[in-house]
Amino acid sequence: SQQGEEDPQALSIQEGENATMNCSYKTSINNLQWYRQNSGRGLVHLILIRSNEREKHSGRLRVTLDTSKKSSSLLITASRAADTASYFCATGGGSQGNLIFGKGTKLSVKP
Amino acid sequence: DAMVIQNPRYQVTQFGKPVTLSCSQTLNHNVMYWYQQKSSQAPKLLFHYYDKDFNNEADTPDNFQSRRPNTSFCFLDIRSPGLGDAAMYLCATSREGRGRTEAFFGQGTRLTVV
Repeated sequence: SQQGEEDPQALSIQEGENATMNCSYKTSINNLQWYRQNSGRGLVHLILIRSNEREKHSGRLRVTLDTSKKSSSLLITASRAADTASYFCATGGGSQGNLIFGKGTKLSVKP
Repeated sequence: DAMVIQNPRYQVTQFGKPVTLSCSQTLNHNVMYWYQQKSSQAPKLLFHYYDKDFNNEADTPDNFQSRRPNTSFCFLDIRSPGLGDAAMYLCATSREGRGRTEAFFGQGTRLTVV
């Protein structure tokens, strides 16, 4: 079963702009994770935010979590063409048990 | 330095002919997952192992089976592949179960059914 929805489904921006992707989920969670997937490849873990955290940074990535609204956002600042990929959120450790993925946002960064 | 290795990267099988996909890991993680991902969709969890304990998702078809002979290796067996089973199959590992820690993914095996 799928856990949540990413919004938007697709996003196209110019290099240097910021990209924001949102994720909503339905059940209680232990953490929320963001992954990146280049076309036809496996997923790469980007960042994990625990349910008792509100914001986390890693390089050009900023993740927020609002457990009252059951939502998270991923911000990529100063985007690069190499950031072009699909981005998935996944909820972990909640009532559904294992790592369950949302539908993803396809990001295209034009040089 | 690949940590989760899936073989083969591409697999073509005939309708109804059993096929096995393999996954190995060098991380010594307790948990191994198999996900199915169809085009432009989210990865869908099929089952996972915590050590030797096998856990099947409720909606995983009986056509899909798995084996984990030791910590390092895990296999996905599709007993009678149908056209609808064409997908990318992703293997992943994690140190702890229930999604409590990050998962490490292999590059996937793309299965084509002809």
